[in-house]
Amino acid sequence: QLVLTQSPSASASLGASVKLTCTLSSGHSSYAIAWHQQQPEKGPRYLMRLNSDGSHTKGDGIPDRFSGSSSGAERYLTISSLQSEDEADYYCQTWGTGIWVFGGGTTLTVL
Amino acid sequence: QVQMVQSGSEMKKPGASVKVSCKASGYTFTSYAMHWVRQAPGQGLEWVGWINTNTGNPTYAQGFTGRFVFSLDSSVSTAYLQITSLKAEDTAVYFCARIRNDVFDYWGQGTLVTVSS
Repeated sequence: QLVLTQSPSASASLGASVKLTCTLSSGHSSYAIAWHQQQPEKGPRYLMRLNSDGSHTKGDGIPDRFSGSSSGAERYLTISSLQSEDEADYYCQTWGTGIWVFGGGTTLTVL
Repeated sequence: QVQMVQSGSEMKKPGASVKVSCKASGYTFTSYAMHWVRQAPGQGLEWVGWINTNTGNPTYAQGFTGRFVFSLDSSVSTAYLQITSLKAEDTAVYFCARIRNDVFDYWGQGTLVTVSS
């Protein structure tokens, strides 16, 4: 079964960096994913598509502070030079044959 | 620029129906499929299904068959989600999202549907 696992919460200080993790279920470690940001009371915003080799394609207007990387079944989103507006929920998303799946989301708090 | 603008919040009684619209602009509507995603209060994102904007053929995720209906009016670049026989547990924000290369690259702002007696 295709499942994405995310830690429920993360925190980091203003100006620092943070690395969020999304783990693919067993047997799906070659899958690409996408990262989406959802600021409070807003719709999600597409950040990037992240492949198993770590290559990634960002959405329109996404700052260079956002980057992605991969290792095995883990997919990472790194946000550097944290700003207050980065405080949001972050969801990973993937797809299989005829299905699309979201991780449970990580709430990022900027201290 | 690409935009999806959804209809406003709805408050309905149990058993009623609701129709949410999603008007796309800034691209050729029939070039990309449209998906629907649900977010219950305080919860994460849940995929509802999608509609082929060329053929109008819908596909529903498990748990969303029967009462959920996708439709299109391509003449006005608009996708619709209708939910019939509403239940309290349908209370959620519903998002439309364009799909490109299997990722949701543009999202609507969301429509809150509240079901309460």
